[in-house]
Amino acid sequence: RKEVEQDPGPFNVPEGATVAFNCTYSNSASQSFFWYRQDCRKEPKLLMSVYSSGNEDGRFTAQLNRASQYISLLIRDSKLSDSATYLCVVNKDNDMRFGAGTRLTVKP
Amino acid sequence: EPEVTQTPSHQVTQMGQEVILRCVPISNHLYFYWYRQILGQKVEFLVSFYNNEISEKSEIFDDQFSVERPDGSNFTLKIRSTKLEDSAMYFCASSEYGGGNTEAFFGQGTRLTVV
Repeated sequence: RKEVEQDPGPFNVPEGATVAFNCTYSNSASQSFFWYRQDCRKEPKLLMSVYSSGNEDGRFTAQLNRASQYISLLIRDSKLSDSATYLCVVNKDNDMRFGAGTRLTVKP
Repeated sequence: EPEVTQTPSHQVTQMGQEVILRCVPISNHLYFYWYRQILGQKVEFLVSFYNNEISEKSEIFDDQFSVERPDGSNFTLKIRSTKLEDSAMYFCASSEYGGGNTEAFFGQGTRLTVV
């Protein structure tokens, strides 16, 4: 099983659509969880941290299920500017492991 | 807004040569990291550094790699004898705290091309 596994994608959706990304991780001792966004040929940038209680930031909702070792990201009312690769990141101590990413393209 | 800066933005080197990639982390950050991303592949953790020593390293970070904080501001990654497969984007990152409980800020990367 891969350390961090994401939906392979790509996802192509129209503006205004709701899109969900899924991620699973293999190390049950993982301590913290994040979604990063990476635009083409750019550095990863933090989108949001993921907490066990679930958390929301505007149109973005993240969920964590430690028992299932599963993380999700929901984007509502998607915008053209949401087009990017979304990276699931799992951390233990100071070792952050990235998923391969899921590419999202939002079309007019 | 404070940012992590990396130099050079692009480096071309011949196979077998040594390269040093340079990074200036955010000034009040205490934890520093190097990652690499081979074109079209995922971001891979190389090493984390705290209090002037390596705190974690991945299986990729073998004897060919070393890191150093030569002064109060720079954080460097050295590859002793580059191989073709070292061609990748190398990202430096820093965070204020460790344990993964704080955001890691990434530099814009150095694209290393080994020919």
